[in-house]
Amino acid sequence: NAGVTQTPKFRVLKTGQSMTLLCAQDMNHEYMYWYRQDPGMGLRLIHYSVGEGTTAKGEVPDGYNVSRLKKQNFLLGLESAAPSQTSVYFCASSTGTIRYEQYFGPGTRLTVT
Amino acid sequence: AQSVTQPDIHITVSEGASLELRCNYSYGATPYLFWYVQSPGQGLQLLLKYFSGDTLVQGIKGFEAEFKRSQSSFNLRKPSVHWSDAAEYFCAASFTGTASKLTFGTGTRLQVTL
Repeated sequence: NAGVTQTPKFRVLKTGQSMTLLCAQDMNHEYMYWYRQDPGMGLRLIHYSVGEGTTAKGEVPDGYNVSRLKKQNFLLGLESAAPSQTSVYFCASSTGTIRYEQYFGPGTRLTVT
Repeated sequence: AQSVTQPDIHITVSEGASLELRCNYSYGATPYLFWYVQSPGQGLQLLLKYFSGDTLVQGIKGFEAEFKRSQSSFNLRKPSVHWSDAAEYFCAASFTGTASKLTFGTGTRLQVTL
């Protein structure tokens, strides 16, 4: 039982390049989330999904797109990377019931030059 | 707007000393409250959570937290800190009707001196 995994762990992009971050969970969770973590700002929600085929915007969605084609996977895309998107990205999943915790992946450190 | 505030950015304590990390929330009703810990280079791990009932909740690694409705606070405590507790601590809240989304505080970095 791997929990929540994220691919890749590190990535360096040039401004304007695109990439996709993959999150996978093996806990059969309905809900999945993408956060970014920046110094002094805690974690901020980018997008989330309440089930396969659904997505919704979070607090800071601009410049990102997501897809949830399979229940176990949640993809975060950057179409044209900008230096402001340099951050650590965390994926999380939960059962969707508010009483239960979110389980976090190990993070992806992205640098945009 | 719903918000979570952690007023202390950085705290240093000696090993063996007691610890209290502060957390306040802003919301009309009682949210669901969580404390997470993040060790360097790692993801977040849940320490404890509060939903209702007993206002003093116990968590893993010897941590506890007390919910005080009158102060809109959920402070994290530990009687005796170990060097391995050095990490960043995040308070978070989930509010009814928000798809279980978490609103995080900005975090408190704990340094432990020997």
